[in-house]
Amino acid sequence: AQTVTQSQPEMSVQEAETVTLSCTYDTSENNYYLFWYKQPPSRQMILVIRQEAYKQQNATENRFSVNFQKAAKSFSLKISDSQLGDTAMYFCAFMKQNTNAGKSTFGDGTTLTVKP
Amino acid sequence: GAGVSQSPRYKVAKRGQDVALRCDPISGHVSLFWYQQALGQGPEFLTYFQNEAQLDKSGLPSDRFFAERPEGSVSTLKIQRTQQEDSAVYLCASSSRVRGRGLSGANVLTFGAGSRLTVL
Repeated sequence: AQTVTQSQPEMSVQEAETVTLSCTYDTSENNYYLFWYKQPPSRQMILVIRQEAYKQQNATENRFSVNFQKAAKSFSLKISDSQLGDTAMYFCAFMKQNTNAGKSTFGDGTTLTVKP
Repeated sequence: GAGVSQSPRYKVAKRGQDVALRCDPISGHVSLFWYQQALGQGPEFLTYFQNEAQLDKSGLPSDRFFAERPEGSVSTLKIQRTQQEDSAVYLCASSSRVRGRGLSGANVLTFGAGSRLTVL
């Protein structure tokens, strides 16, 4: 079974600054996907970024980037130039690579507050 | 539709009542998932459909929980004889089987807004 751990229940950052959210996971699988999801107060979960484990290059999506360390089973999210709209709960998630994949294991989330 | 639609958004039930939660996935999405999210926690997997076939129901917490997707599109999650511990947000997600890059394609989940169930 897979586990995902987010050790920071709450974080805050000043607008325009950079913040890094931590995530570690445990698995015996070699091929898998990792995700960061954002859940604003309205509660609709939105995908922020995706990383395929076989790729060494870290994924980036505009202001969002990850630091994927496969050997250490670490997958942190960096948000650059933080904006007030980034305030949300952020979930790290793991998914096995499988033709019927989609079943994900989520961490318990980090609540991020961006302060003006 | 353009997104995953869930109804009702809010449901209050008395303990022992049966409830039904509906999910309308993105048109053409083959895969559909139900997750349960307790307050302050991450979503936990309940069940998975590929078209009308329920391929994984390992996360359903008890036999009071039942899900169906008879025509391979709309899905219903039914909870019989609700208990207080069933109070949670129930999230539905769908995904396509088309390979894609970045934030689209197979294995990328699109979530609905959820149905918040409160059992008194």
